[in-house]
Amino acid sequence: EAGVAQSPRYKIIEKRQSVAFWCNPISGHATLYWYQQILGQGPKLLIQFQNNGVVDDSQLPKDRFSAERLKGVDSTLKIQPAKLEDSAVYLCASSPTPSGNEQFFGPGTRLTVL
Amino acid sequence: AQTVTQSQPEMSVQEAETVTLSCTYDTSENNYYLFWYKQPPSRQMILVIRQEAYKQQNATENRFSVNFQKAAKSFSLKISDSQLGDTAMYFCAFIQMDSSYKLIFGSGTRLLVRP
Repeated sequence: EAGVAQSPRYKIIEKRQSVAFWCNPISGHATLYWYQQILGQGPKLLIQFQNNGVVDDSQLPKDRFSAERLKGVDSTLKIQPAKLEDSAVYLCASSPTPSGNEQFFGPGTRLTVL
Repeated sequence: AQTVTQSQPEMSVQEAETVTLSCTYDTSENNYYLFWYKQPPSRQMILVIRQEAYKQQNATENRFSVNFQKAAKSFSLKISDSQLGDTAMYFCAFIQMDSSYKLIFGSGTRLLVRP
């Protein structure tokens, strides 16, 4: 069974530029999550999707971050414009259950904002 | 608000020996799950072990076991017969089943297994 796929693996941008990350969850997993993991910290949930609907985006900085999951499968996370403090690893996870008590993580995208 | 605290930023252990990583959490609810995740250097996070709060028996997975003390809100991970491949960041995490379903992580413990 293929795992959660993410691309790109690494991205370096200048502040105020835009960037987008892509995630393909495990086949059949209706629940998808985006996490932000700042160096030295545990992951923090940014947004949770159930199929193509948003369940929780309370910690997403909506003035600069956006995410979509139009067909209920792949998802993209966008940052526009990026700030220095957005430097982090962005993790995508998926779960076969809406409760999320079994989450599978992708390899992450390491973003560096200069 | 739910919180997860890992008070040991770094630990090291000799290969083949046993090490225990500590975790405490805070919640007023009764229906939740606790997890230990492993994140090796430059590799993806994987689930090590999971504990359901309503189960009194401590979960075990091969060399990994937990000591779940519900009243004390403590959830420690014991790694027996440590192997070099156990070197990683270990995150304790918590998810509440009754409302938010949000996975909340601790700050992690970096474990180094010495040869």
